Amino acid sequence: ELKVEQNPLFLSMQEGKNYTIYCNYSTTSDRLYWYRQDPGKSLESLFVLLSNGAVKQEGRLMASLDTKARLSTLHITAAVHDLSATYFCAVVPTSNNNDMRFGAGTRLTVKP
Amino acid sequence: EAGVTQFPSHSVIEKGQTVTLRCDPISGHDNLYWYRRVMGKEIKFLLHFVKESKQDESGMPNNRFLAERTGGTYSTLKVQPAELEDSGVYFCASSQDLASLGEQYFGPGTRLTVT
Repeated sequence: ELKVEQNPLFLSMQEGKNYTIYCNYSTTSDRLYWYRQDPGKSLESLFVLLSNGAVKQEGRLMASLDTKARLSTLHITAAVHDLSATYFCAVVPTSNNNDMRFGAGTRLTVKP
Repeated sequence: EAGVTQFPSHSVIEKGQTVTLRCDPISGHDNLYWYRRVMGKEIKFLLHFVKESKQDESGMPNNRFLAERTGGTYSTLKVQPAELEDSGVYFCASSQDLASLGEQYFGPGTRLTVT
């Protein structure tokens, strides 16, 4: 069974600091998504990573994918309060590419 | 274009009662997914419809849960009878064709509280 593990589950950081969220998964996949969820809102797609070595950046967020290590990272640079949200990674397994499995989410709080 | 909508946004029921959640996907999306997030845990897959057919229902926890998608448009998820452990946020998502690198679009979720 595909397992997707995120860490940390909770992250409290000061504005201006850098940090990385990790997403490990247990089966072959060449497609990984990062989502953001604000309280009471739907999940918003941030990045889609489609191949080994893929790196995408949007503002202060940068995501990367290492399919050999089965690891994706979401790096936060110079955090600002507006980035406070819950971040989920989700993996589409190669064995069933119309399906998706999520991690537990990382609840990020950025303090002024 | 309207996004995925879910109704109700919040439901509070007593143990043993019945609740029906509704999801309206984006028009034209054949794929419809149900997920559940129990407090602080991962978003767990429940089932996947392609049009009106259940493609994968391996995530349905037990036979108290019944999902339907008559006519291949909106879907309902009924919990009968509800138990305390059914509390959580139920998300619905739809996609054109995930296998062709499409994306899933999520609804805002229904927060179910069973007391």
